[in-house]
Amino acid sequence: EAGVTQSPTHLIKTRGQQATLRCSPISGHTSVYWYQQALGLGLQFLLWYDEGEERNRGNFPPRFSGRQFPNYSSELNVNALDLEESGLYLCASRLRVSGNTIYFGEGSWLTVV
Amino acid sequence: QQQVKQSPQSLIVQKGGISIINCAYENTAFDYFPWYQQFPGKGPALLIAIRPDVSEKKEGRFTISFNKSAKQFSLHIMDSQPGDSATYFCAVTTSGTYKYIFGTGTRLKVLA
Repeated sequence: EAGVTQSPTHLIKTRGQQATLRCSPISGHTSVYWYQQALGLGLQFLLWYDEGEERNRGNFPPRFSGRQFPNYSSELNVNALDLEESGLYLCASRLRVSGNTIYFGEGSWLTVV
Repeated sequence: QQQVKQSPQSLIVQKGGISIINCAYENTAFDYFPWYQQFPGKGPALLIAIRPDVSEKKEGRFTISFNKSAKQFSLHIMDSQPGDSATYFCAVTTSGTYKYIFGTGTRLKVLA
């Protein structure tokens, strides 16, 4: 069974540009989480999607947005990139009904120059 | 408000020694306590998890000890190996909710 897959693996953007990151959850998982892990820091909760709806968001500006598609894959968009937003962006998925565990993908490395 | 306090921030252990990482939480509604292991450049991977109805869970060299009254749980790595060198995160969640709160992480280095 395939795990959570994320793309691209690495992304380099210029300050002020937009970045789009993609995530495919584990088959059968309907909940998708996005976390930001800035260099050397912990996991900061960004967004939670479930059944196609944004259910909650962390303490991030509206420049961070996303969506979940009917097949439960998800996309994270970051507009007007700042240098501070360089880091590892992690997607995780969870079985909505019975699962407590969230499973992470390998992440997408975003470098803002 | 920090809902999960993890310590120490970093830990150096000799090969064969015991590594101990602690987490303390505040909200008694939490009912699932996993530990994640993250190697550099990789996503966190579930290591072991416990529910509050048991005080200890062991899987191989990894053990979670849980103290419900003190609202603390800890990860013990027995016979630590250089391959265990990684960052470890504790987490807490409540069944049926979206919230998954992580500790700040502990960077473990096991010396050969």
